[in-house]
Amino acid sequence: NAGVTQTPKFRILKIGQSMTLQCTQDMNHNYMYWYRQDPGMGLKLIYYSVGAGITDKGEVPNGYNVSRSTTEDFPLRLELAAPSQTSVYFCASSYSMAAGDNEQFFGPGTRLTVL
Amino acid sequence: QQPVQSPQAVILREGEDAVINCSSSKALYSVHWYRQKHGEAPVFLMILLKGGEQKGHEKISASFNEKKQQSSLYLTASQLSYSGTYFCGTGLIQGAQKLVFGQGTRLTINP
Repeated sequence: NAGVTQTPKFRILKIGQSMTLQCTQDMNHNYMYWYRQDPGMGLKLIYYSVGAGITDKGEVPNGYNVSRSTTEDFPLRLELAAPSQTSVYFCASSYSMAAGDNEQFFGPGTRLTVL
Repeated sequence: QQPVQSPQAVILREGEDAVINCSSSKALYSVHWYRQKHGEAPVFLMILLKGGEQKGHEKISASFNEKKQQSSLYLTASQLSYSGTYFCGTGLIQGAQKLVFGQGTRLTINP
């Protein structure tokens, strides 16, 4: 099992450009998440999904969009990139969202710089 | 609301003990602990639930004080491999939880 994989690992964008961060998991988890981690800070939830076709906003959704067409894939779309979106982005998945059963498995992250 | 972790950073010699605290202003149902090594993804350590017992494996354990809305992570006889940043994530309800993570505690273990 590869677990959670993310591409690309690094990316530099110019202000106003758009891109999609890819995330795939092979654990058949229904629940998937996107977080951003700013330098020296904790993880902030951007969006999450409870299954194919169902997504919802987290703490910091502005400037991002997501889709979930399959159980395995949960891409994150950045439209009109801004310097404030410079961060490390982590995708995660879990078997459940219920307390006690929601251990999250994280991907290796994508380091994004917007100049 | 984001939980507050203390201390923000700690430096120890190998073999020493450390305690990391995670406090919330809201009533918690669960606390998760994760460790992140530099440049890597966070890795799950353990979950503590309201009304549950103190947990631990090897020399890393944690407790959950419901009255104080605080969890503490205990690392005893620390090893070099324990170095990293420790995050707590808090959940407020028993059902579907969106975790809110603290700002992290950086632990450095020196030989």
